[in-house]
Amino acid sequence: KAGVTQTPRYLIKTRGQQVTLSCSPISGHRSVSWYQQTPGQGLQFLFEYFSETQRNKGNFPGRFSGRQFSNSRSEMNVSTLELGDSALYLCASMQTQGSEAFFGQGTRLTVV
Amino acid sequence: AQSVAQPEDQVNVAEGNPLTVKCTYSVSGNPYLFWYVQYPNRGLQFLLKYITGDNLVKGSYGFEAEFNKSQTSFHLKKPSALVSDSALYFCAVRDRGSTLGRLYFGRGTQLTVWP
Repeated sequence: KAGVTQTPRYLIKTRGQQVTLSCSPISGHRSVSWYQQTPGQGLQFLFEYFSETQRNKGNFPGRFSGRQFSNSRSEMNVSTLELGDSALYLCASMQTQGSEAFFGQGTRLTVV
Repeated sequence: AQSVAQPEDQVNVAEGNPLTVKCTYSVSGNPYLFWYVQYPNRGLQFLLKYITGDNLVKGSYGFEAEFNKSQTSFHLKKPSALVSDSALYFCAVRDRGSTLGRLYFGRGTQLTVWP
């Protein structure tokens, strides 16, 4: 069974640009969550999608957005990039509320 | 508000010795509890979880965790550490009373096992 796949693995962008990250969950998993990981703030929750609907959102500015498609694949978008957006972005999928979340390898975003 | 504390940023142990990585939580109700491990430049890898039942949970790679409801703790343990166990360990909780999947993470504990 294939795991959670995130693309691309690495990205370098310039301040002010926008970026789109992609996540393909494990087959059959309809819940997809996104997290930002930085050395200073640790792991912070961005948002969660289930059946194409955003169910929960963390405390991030509106520049951070996401969506989920009918095949459960998800994308997140960050507009008007800032240096502080440099981080490892992790996607996770899960099957049921009581089950463990499976994480992708992450996308390392560097904003210069 | 949900919160998870990992009181030690760093744990150092000798290979072959037992290890403990501590975790306490403050969550309303009875949460689901998880441990994850992260190797450099990689995603999080699931180790074990507590849902219900026996307070001692066994997981991957010889790890186990002890749930203590009165102390709201979920400490990760291993009887005999390996150098390859060196990594960053995260404790996480999920609100059982919600249908949402959000995980609340601790800050992480860097485990170093020396030969």
